[in-house]
Order: sequence, then C-alpha cells, then structure tokens
Amino acid sequence: NAGVTQTPKFQVLKTGQSMTLQCAQDMNHEYMSWYRQDPGMGLRLIHYSVGAGITDQGEVPNGYNVSRSTTEDFPLRLLSAAPSQTSVYFCASSYGQGGTYEQYFGPGTRLTVT
Amino acid sequence: GESVGLHLPTLSVQEGDNSIINCAYSNSASDYFIWYKQESGKGPQFIIDIRSNMDKRQGQRVTVLLNKTVKHLSLQIAATQPGDSAVYFCAENIGGTSYGKLTFGQGTILTVHP
Repeated sequence: NAGVTQTPKFQVLKTGQSMTLQCAQDMNHEYMSWYRQDPGMGLRLIHYSVGAGITDQGEVPNGYNVSRSTTEDFPLRLLSAAPSQTSVYFCASSYGQGGTYEQYFGPGTRLTVT
Repeated sequence: GESVGLHLPTLSVQEGDNSIINCAYSNSASDYFIWYKQESGKGPQFIIDIRSNMDKRQGQRVTVLLNKTVKHLSLQIAATQPGDSAVYFCAENIGGTSYGKLTFGQGTILTVHP
C-alpha cells in the first residue's frame, strides 16, 4: 500500500490564483480530512469527509472547498489564494471503525502565496 | 507541557533518560485522545491512543496517562533515544458523529542528546 499520497509537495501561488491540492489513499478508509499547519502551531482541521459524497467543515474552512466523489480521493481547492493561506497542508485518512480513530497522514504540501 | 502561545514548549533530555511530555486538553466531553510524533518535514505519525474509560495505556517504550479530573494527558517515553527527537502533539476527539474530528494541541519539541 502507498498509504496517503499528496501532490504537489511544494507550490508557489500568486494572490488571487486558484489551485487544487490532491490527496489519495489506497487503504479503503471511509474518513478523510484536511489540516493546515502554521509555523509553531498544531494542526487545524479545514474540512473532513465521513464517506463518498459527504463532507463537512472543520475549524478553519473559509477560502477552501472540498468534494468526495470516490472513497480514494479527497481534493482540496483554494478558490482565490491569499497570503494568509501560506502553510503546510496535510491530508489524513482513518478507518473510523471499531472505535479506532487513528489517522494516517500524508507527507504534506508546502504552499506559499505571494 | 503544551500551553497557549506562539512558542512551542521544549524538553531536552539525555539519551537513555525517561521523558515525560504533558498536555492539557480543553473539552471535558472528549472521549478519545491520541499522541502523534512529527519529524521535521514529515506528516504526523501515530504513537499511542487512549479512551476516556481508561486512565493508563502502555505501548512499546511509551505509556499514556489520562487524568480526566484535571483534563490532563501525559506521554512517557522510556529510555529515550536520539531517534525520538521530534515534535509531539496530543489530540482530542469529542466522539459521536464527530469521530475523527481531532483538535490538536500546540506541540512540544523533544530533543534527545547523545
């Protein structure tokens, strides 16, 4: 299994540009989520999904959209990039079964908005 | 231990010592807690978890203690090794339909000196 994969690893955007961060998992996990991590901070939840076709907002959803058309993929879209969105973005997935909530994280995408 | 603010708490130990990392969580309704380890440039990696109906859980070289009375969580690492150097995060989950919707602490930097 490749686990959780994210592309790209690095990205530089200009203010106002849009882009999609890709996330895929091959573990047949129902639950997927997106977090952002700012310097010296813990992870903050942006959006999450409990299954294909179902998404919900996390703590910091503004400026981001998500969709979940398949179990495997959970892309994160930045609608109009702003410097405040400069961060490292992590995608995660978990079984969510049997009381197990362990989340498996991808390697991250480092985004800079100028 | 973790605290509110922009500067991460730090813990420096000698190789072979035992380490204790503390975390104060915020929500008395949280029913599930996880410790993650994050090495530089990587995504968080699961270490150990504990449910609110337990007060102690042991893994390989790690022990998590939960004190619900004072909403405190700790991670003990036995015989700390240089490879344990990383940032350690605690995370809490309220549970129910919000499973997997983790709230992360700020993190503690552990440095192990050979």
